[in-house]
Amino acid sequence: KAGVTQTPRYLIKTRGQQVTLSCSPISGHRSVSWYQQTPGQGLQFLFEYFSETQRNKGNFPGRFSGRQFSNSRSEMNVSTLELGDSALYLCASSPLLSSIAKNIQYFGAGTRLSVL
Amino acid sequence: GQQLNQSPQSMFIQEGEDVSMNCTSSSIFNTWLWYKQDPGEGPVLLIALYKAGELTSNGRLTAQFGITRKDSFLNISASIPSDVGIYFCAGPNTGNQFYFGTGTSLTVIP
Repeated sequence: KAGVTQTPRYLIKTRGQQVTLSCSPISGHRSVSWYQQTPGQGLQFLFEYFSETQRNKGNFPGRFSGRQFSNSRSEMNVSTLELGDSALYLCASSPLLSSIAKNIQYFGAGTRLSVL
Repeated sequence: GQQLNQSPQSMFIQEGEDVSMNCTSSSIFNTWLWYKQDPGEGPVLLIALYKAGELTSNGRLTAQFGITRKDSFLNISASIPSDVGIYFCAGPNTGNQFYFGTGTSLTVIP
């Protein structure tokens, strides 16, 4: 079974630009979550999507947005990039079983975004 | 929001030594997960714990779900150089939102 796939792996942008990152979850997984990871802040939750709907949202500005497609693939978008947006962006999928306790998240390798 | 505090923040050990780290929460979790992250990669699940008091092993790794359900422990025996990385504890709340610990950075000196 293929794992979580994130593209691209690396991205360089300049301030003010916008960027779109893509995530393909494990086959059969319907929940996709996004995280931002920086050395100083650790793993920060961005948002979670299930059945094309945002279920949970972290404490990030509106410049960060996402969506999920009918095949569970997800994209996140960051507009008007700032230097502080440089980070590893991780996507995780989970099956979202009826038993909450079994909903383990499986991570992709991440997209390393550098904003110059 | 919920906080998961891990300690120690970093560890430098000799190859062959045993390692212990722990994670505490301000509230109860029904599931505790331990992940390892290699540089430039995403976290990889090591061990999942589902019941208070549960002790689970995965090779040289052993993790325990604390009786209070507010803490968990991870032990690595006879460390080797490939154990280097950052170890995270995590758990989902009842709304399936995951919380991650602050991470323990492990360095193994050959």
